[in-house]
Amino acid sequence: EVQLVESGGGLVQPGRSLRLSCTASGFTFGHFGMSWFRQPPGKGLEWVGLIRSWSYGGAAEYAASVKGRFTISRDDSKNIAYLQMNSLKTVDTAVYYCAKEGASGVLWTDYWGQGTLVTVSS
Amino acid sequence: IVMTQSPATLSVSPGDRVTLSCRASQSIGGTLAWYQLKPGQPPRLLIYNTSSRATGLPARFSGSGSGTEFTLTISSLESEDFAVYYCQHYNTWPALYTFGQGTKLEIK
Repeated sequence: EVQLVESGGGLVQPGRSLRLSCTASGFTFGHFGMSWFRQPPGKGLEWVGLIRSWSYGGAAEYAASVKGRFTISRDDSKNIAYLQMNSLKTVDTAVYYCAKEGASGVLWTDYWGQGTLVTVSS
Repeated sequence: IVMTQSPATLSVSPGDRVTLSCRASQSIGGTLAWYQLKPGQPPRLLIYNTSSRATGLPARFSGSGSGTEFTLTISSLESEDFAVYYCQHYNTWPALYTFGQGTKLEIK
């Protein structure tokens, strides 16, 4: 059974940093790209970024709203994807989800974690 | 690319046939997915590549369209289908996902 579990969320002050983790099980983690999405309170879904599998270069790509502040990485030996968030702003307050590619190299996502809440407030 | 869903809210009854619309501001080929979102739950993939059904998806859900106009149809609404539905365009190179603003199905 595919499982994705996000952790690391919480309350953080503007300008500070936070690192989220996405721990995966039930599939060959290294074969799939992993994405991060978020949903601000009362709003819709927004893409944050993704990291491709090493078969597709292993590069990370980002939404314009977080580029330069957020960094995605992966540790295939631990089956974990990370989202490092720096210079956080109040508008970054959201539930953050990680999601798995539906098939290697394609961008539709078939499994999502339960999400972790990040609140940026002074 | 901007994805526009209509209507924002739809009041329907169990057993109804429901059609949700999603329009792209320019042609996106078939790179469209649909997700269902319920409070306290992660998004659930329903449809990918416009019309391919996710594993285990009940047959009452179907997707269609091409270019800029897409639809998600629920042939006979069941109580567990009341939720918010999002369409999503995905572009592979460079990576980019764009969501519609969602359509909420509420009980009439």
